[in-house]
Amino acid sequence: GAGVSQSPSNKVTEKGKDVELRCDPISGHTALYWYRQSLGQGLEFLIYFQGNSAPDKSGLPSDRFSAERTGGSVSTLTIQRTQQEDSAVYLCASSLPPNTEAFFGQGTRLTVV
Amino acid sequence: DAKTTQPPSMDCAEGRAANLPCNHSTISGNEYVYWYRQIHSQGPQYIIHGLKNNETNEMASLIITEDRKSSTLILPHATLRDTAVYYCIVREGQTGANNLFFGTGTRLTVIP
Repeated sequence: GAGVSQSPSNKVTEKGKDVELRCDPISGHTALYWYRQSLGQGLEFLIYFQGNSAPDKSGLPSDRFSAERTGGSVSTLTIQRTQQEDSAVYLCASSLPPNTEAFFGQGTRLTVV
Repeated sequence: DAKTTQPPSMDCAEGRAANLPCNHSTISGNEYVYWYRQIHSQGPQYIIHGLKNNETNEMASLIITEDRKSSTLILPHATLRDTAVYYCIVREGQTGANNLFFGTGTRLTVIP
């Protein structure tokens, strides 16, 4: 596709349920980033994939959060046993390193009720 | 952890140049300075980046001090659509191994 695609665009889930958020990066981009942004807040780094290297998971807030990237392309962010504080916009970006710009998707707005 | 310091907010009159400062006093030799902006309810958008030379593109100019400890993003003729949060980021550029850490940014409001 022409840009980074995220799905769903909106997700409402009940507290305690698991959710999966999908990111389709720009074709050929080897780097993929996940961020989340709570209402009125800045971007919080979650996880970073770069090629075949081990992902940088240093930003994941708890072990309820995990992400994988299959075949070096599509990535899925999974949140288990969702809590209300998980409500935020989850943003994905991809880039073609080194030293290149990252392109962001429009995000998935997650609401935990 | 963000390695940059920016003022939390700024105003600029429409049609005037907007000069957004950023301090990055701990920047290392192989780290680039990137600027992104986020317009309300949208994903961040890349603006410009540089290493040590000043850079200009169709959106903005980036002025980096000789010691590289600070930089200024210049929007030459600000419009209402430039109202956004502007993020200054430093990132290691040789291998792209470093990820992008966003700080709190500067909220620029362009006033009619």
